[in-house]
Amino acid sequence: QVQLQESGPGLVKPSQTLSLTCTVSGGSISSGGYYWSWIRQHPGKGLEWIGYIYYSGSTYYNPSLKSRVTISVDTSKNQFSLKLSSVTAADTAVYYCARFTRGSSWFFDYWGQGTLVTVSS
Amino acid sequence: EIVLTQSPGTLSLSPGERATLSCRASQSVSSSYLAWYQQKPGQAPRLLIYGASSRATGIPDRFSGSGSGTDFTLTISRLEPEDFAVYYCQQYGSSPRITFGQGTRLEIK
Repeated sequence: QVQLQESGPGLVKPSQTLSLTCTVSGGSISSGGYYWSWIRQHPGKGLEWIGYIYYSGSTYYNPSLKSRVTISVDTSKNQFSLKLSSVTAADTAVYYCARFTRGSSWFFDYWGQGTLVTVSS
Repeated sequence: EIVLTQSPGTLSLSPGERATLSCRASQSVSSSYLAWYQQKPGQAPRLLIYGASSRATGIPDRFSGSGSGTDFTLTISRLEPEDFAVYYCQQYGSSPRITFGQGTRLEIK
């Protein structure tokens, strides 16, 4: 059973960089056919896809966040990470990591529990 | 950008009733790339339906998906108490690659 777990600071100051890591267990991040993703949910709101990375390092970002987002992967640690720069209060949200499966259909099949990140001084 | 519009915003029904949730896309979406998720308070979303009509592993058969092109539907045939939650549709396609609907809240009447 694949499991994902987010980790990182729960409080980030405005203008600083939000950094989160997702640790994958129960499966290898280097397995083909999956994109390792970040999604966020503002309090009481819907879901917003941030971006994803393939184990090879190829990345795809939501254009609305692209200028501030970097997603990287460390296959030796079976982890991938999110960096979001120049954060403001509007970046306060629950951040999820998830596995996006490519096959005959494409979907998010495994999710982390989510971690709340608050942007405040 | 493909926009997914879900309706209704809130659906009030009683256990045992049938629920019909709609997801309408601003452009045609391949059925292979349309999925539905259930989210309960304080939990991550859970995959229910992928490929517009295939149930994910462990999902009860009272959940079914249908549709094609721009109109997709999630149906819950007989509501159980644990089905009251928020439901999202999601598509994969052109930039920004992945979008979600705004959600439908299914509440107990």
